[in-house]
Formats: sequence, C-alpha cells, structure tokens
Amino acid sequence: IQLTQSPSYVSAFVGDTVTITCRASQGPTKYLAWYQQRPGKAPKLLIYAAYTPQSGVPSRFTGSGSGTEFTLTINSLQPEDFASYYCQVLESFGPGTRVDIK
Amino acid sequence: QVLLQESGPTLVKPSETLSLTCTVSGYSVSSGYYWGWIRQPPGRGLEWIASSYHTGNTYYNPSLRSRVTISVDSSQNQFSLKLTSVTAADTAVYYCARHEASYTSGKYFFDFWGLGTLVSVSS
Repeated sequence: IQLTQSPSYVSAFVGDTVTITCRASQGPTKYLAWYQQRPGKAPKLLIYAAYTPQSGVPSRFTGSGSGTEFTLTINSLQPEDFASYYCQVLESFGPGTRVDIK
Repeated sequence: QVLLQESGPTLVKPSETLSLTCTVSGYSVSSGYYWGWIRQPPGRGLEWIASSYHTGNTYYNPSLRSRVTISVDSSQNQFSLKLTSVTAADTAVYYCARHEASYTSGKYFFDFWGLGTLVSVSS
C-alpha cells in the first residue's frame, strides 16, 4: 500500500485549525493510524482505527475518514503541536506533513 | 508504563552486520503483542523493517527481507534486529516499538516506542 499525505508542509498560527489528508493506494482500509513526531523525538501514536484517540491524547486531535481517504484535524493549535505528522496503514507509513509556526 | 530502550553499536562498517537489541520494561514480551523495528534516515520518513511475536511468528519488509532477522528473547524480555551487508543507505535512527497487529479488531499500530538510536554506516 502506498500512502500520500497533503499538504507536505503547512505554516499556521497558534489557535488555528489544521487539516492533514492521507490517501491510500488500495482500499478500503480501517487500519489507519496517525503519529506526531517532534524534532529529535520518537513518534507518538495519536489516533488508530481511523478515529479512535490513543489514551491521553488531547481532544483537539480528531481523526476521520473511511475507505482510502482519511483526515487528521488539529483544532486550536498549541505551541507543542508544531511537529511532523505521519499516517500509517498496516506496514506502510506516509511521507509526513510538517506543521510549522507562522 | 511500557518502556523500550534500544542498544547496540552506533557505527558499523559497510558490508558488515548491524545488530541492535531492544530491552522492554513494564510489560512482558511473551504476554502478547508483536514487537517491531522501524527506521528513519536523517531528515526523511519512517520505514517499517520487521515485526515478531514471542512464539517466533515473524514478518519482514519485502524490500529488506533478504538481509533482516528479528527475534524475541522472552527470558531477557528483549528482542533484537540483525541487518546484514549494510551500506550508507542503512544509516538511520532505528526505533523499537510495541506492535499491535489485530486484524479482527481493526487495531494495527505501534503504541510504545523507544527513544531511538542513530546508527551510521561508514568506514
């Protein structure tokens, strides 16, 4: 399975809402997970099974979608949310989306 | 809390074998879950390498299968990775992680990760 993410880069202000899309080359799939990776740190699981939040993840992170197109939405961006985000389906990872401070 | 820690040489010569161990604490590797390795070349994305269950059920990234071996040592609560015939392209941060792989429940993800270890391939 090949995964694409859009955009590859987004610049936003604290308090903004950011939406990241992940598309799978094959589907449908229900095994979609999202990760956050801060610079120099290991990835952190945010969402699995497309929309189920991992324990302890703030409610401003929401996952949605089905079939082959999925979305991660970050509401009210906080300073600690500026990071890279990766989607994953089975053994494949997306190329990542970097969220920077404007 | 499940903690994972990678260990092993940080510099490997071309054509030699990269060997890493992941020590798990806070959870028994024989209590369920797969255990996996993922790598990330500097400035690039994530690549899954291999995963193994404590019973010996293993699966590998097809692009690396011929060079990779993963194994679980329940007595030490560890699992390991061996990658043979390395080249500069294998330079990366290597992460170990707990791997939930349940097709029936729709759960397929890596929920606990080690800090990662940068392995450089250079003469």
